[in-house]
Amino acid sequence: DAKTTQPTSMDCAEGRAANLPCNHSTISGNEYVYWYRQIHSQGPQYIIHGLKNNETNEMASLIITEDRKSSTLILPHATLRDTAVYYCIVRVGYGGATNKLIFGTGTLLAVQP
Amino acid sequence: EAGVAQSPRYKIIEKRQSVAFWCNPISGHATLYWYQQILGQGPKLLIQFQNNGVVDDSQLPKDRFSAERLKGVDSTLKIQPAKLEDSAVYLCASRATGTANTGELFFGEGSRLTVL
Repeated sequence: DAKTTQPTSMDCAEGRAANLPCNHSTISGNEYVYWYRQIHSQGPQYIIHGLKNNETNEMASLIITEDRKSSTLILPHATLRDTAVYYCIVRVGYGGATNKLIFGTGTLLAVQP
Repeated sequence: EAGVAQSPRYKIIEKRQSVAFWCNPISGHATLYWYQQILGQGPKLLIQFQNNGVVDDSQLPKDRFSAERLKGVDSTLKIQPAKLEDSAVYLCASRATGTANTGELFFGEGSRLTVL
């Protein structure tokens, strides 16, 4: 699976959009970009994933560049409850018995009141 | 829908003692994972099961760690004997297979182990 690079930490004001970048310059054509987050003392929680098109769900939007070498997770209106570590993960598809998630160290997003 | 259940939530033991963690995945999820998360790091995969078979245990320290999923449902992770460096949160996750599979892993809240 391709390696990802994320900033160690970021701040965001409550109510503003939080834009979390991820670099995955070695991504292969069949690899998806997944985002998870981990709130303190909880297990990781799935947010969103995509292959090459931008995706949006009730939690966030995922913008993937045309060359697929980087992506941005957008939380449109950050709240204090969005304070968490955000992990960007690249992996092949989501089928198959050998499919697994490899976590890096993620980005600690601190939403400030 | 009930989530992934883990127990105990917290455990404190002396080094060289043994400990066991239990996980009950979401009903019908054939794939089960155990991750180890040391403070300040991302989760590290220890072992992956597909039903009751091991798919990947390449990162499991087999001299002291063992895991089983005998009936393809719940699973147990054991550490014997424990070392100081085993202090971590042990996370269990499960994933649907077949047409229900979206690639999403569902995690439990974890079991926090402190080895003194």
